[in-house]
Amino acid sequence: AQKVTQAQTEISVVEKEDVTLDCVYETRDTTYYLFWYKQPPSGELVFLIRRNSFDEQNEISGRYSWNFQKSTSSFNFTITASQVVDSAVYFCALSRSNQGGKLIFGQGTELSVKP
Amino acid sequence: KAGVTQTPRYLIKTRGQQVTLSCSPISGHRSVSWYQQTPGQGLQFLFEYFSETQRNKGNFPGRFSGRQFSNSRSEMNVSTLELGDSALYLCASSLTTGAASYEQYFGPGTRLTVT
Repeated sequence: AQKVTQAQTEISVVEKEDVTLDCVYETRDTTYYLFWYKQPPSGELVFLIRRNSFDEQNEISGRYSWNFQKSTSSFNFTITASQVVDSAVYFCALSRSNQGGKLIFGQGTELSVKP
Repeated sequence: KAGVTQTPRYLIKTRGQQVTLSCSPISGHRSVSWYQQTPGQGLQFLFEYFSETQRNKGNFPGRFSGRQFSNSRSEMNVSTLELGDSALYLCASSLTTGAASYEQYFGPGTRLTVT
């Protein structure tokens, strides 16, 4: 069975601090996809990144970076120099290669960035 | 390009009633997925439609059903509402489905309250 675990329920940081959100997944598939989504208070999930299981290259997009390690089944997300606008709930998700329309979400990590 | 739209945004219903929620995907997107979000269970996949056919289904009772029209718009229906059906219902669209897992773009959701 597929499962995504985000052990950190809530994280609180002060603006400009770096913060890492952890994501651990379980799957027996060799081909799968991993995602991160952001859910601000407005409620709409915003797509951040998609990674396939064959691409372990880390990715950086501005202040955001992602570290994918198959050896530890982890796909962690780091925000550098956090800002108040980063306050949101962040979800990690997994999909099987033949079930692209079905995302399996973790429980989410609520990030609060204080000024 | 317009995003995913969902109507209505808010809904209050009484136990035992039925409800229909609507979702219009991003233009050109042919896959529509539905999710239920509650504080206790988090984000759970309901079903996915592609080319007017249900492709995947989550673990929800038969009271939850959906359909997709030829223009890719989708509706979901919940019959005989229960208090536990109170949730945020999110619709997501993606270009296609199947072997390649495309990112899903989410709508703002419909907040359903059952009293």
